[in-house]
Amino acid sequence: DAKTTQPPSMDCAEGRAANLPCNHSTISGNEYVYWYRQIHSQGPQYIIHGLKNNETNEMASLIITEDRKSSTLILPHATLRDTAVYYCIVRVAQAGTALIFGKGTTLSVSS
Amino acid sequence: GAGVSQSPSNKVTEKGKDVELRCDPISGHTALYWYRQSLGQGLEFLIYFQGNSAPDKSGLPSDRFSAERTGGSVSTLTIQRTQQEDSAVYLCASAQDGMRVEKLFFGSGTQLSVL
Repeated sequence: DAKTTQPPSMDCAEGRAANLPCNHSTISGNEYVYWYRQIHSQGPQYIIHGLKNNETNEMASLIITEDRKSSTLILPHATLRDTAVYYCIVRVAQAGTALIFGKGTTLSVSS
Repeated sequence: GAGVSQSPSNKVTEKGKDVELRCDPISGHTALYWYRQSLGQGLEFLIYFQGNSAPDKSGLPSDRFSAERTGGSVSTLTIQRTQQEDSAVYLCASAQDGMRVEKLFFGSGTQLSVL
């Protein structure tokens, strides 16, 4: 599976958009981009995934560049409850192996 | 149940004792994963089940660690002769098989403390 690179930490003011970048320059054509987050003392939570097109759900938006070498997770109106570690993962669908988590980005939302 | 259930939520044991950690996945989920997370560290993959078989157990750190799954449902992670470095949160996740994109649903974990 392709390796991802994320900044170790980011800050965001409450109510503003949080834009979390992820580089995956070696991604292959059949690999999806997944985002999970882990709020302190909880198990990780699935947020969103995408292959080529931009995606939006009730939690976030995912913007994937045309060359698919990078993506951005957008939380449109960050709240204090969005403070968490955000993980960007790329892998083929139904790989039959585990989802491997990197170090992620620690997002701190402050009032 | 509605989500992935893990028990116990907390376990304190003495060095050298054996422990068993239990995971009840979401009903109908055939894929099941075990991870562990030491204090301040990332998630470390341990083992993956598809049904009752474990096609990927590459993350088990030593032969003191073993896991089984019965009836395609409940899984038990066993740590024999526990050591202090085994102290961590042990997380279980399940996923629905047959889906083109696999979403993992995690439990709240078992906090294991080895004294």
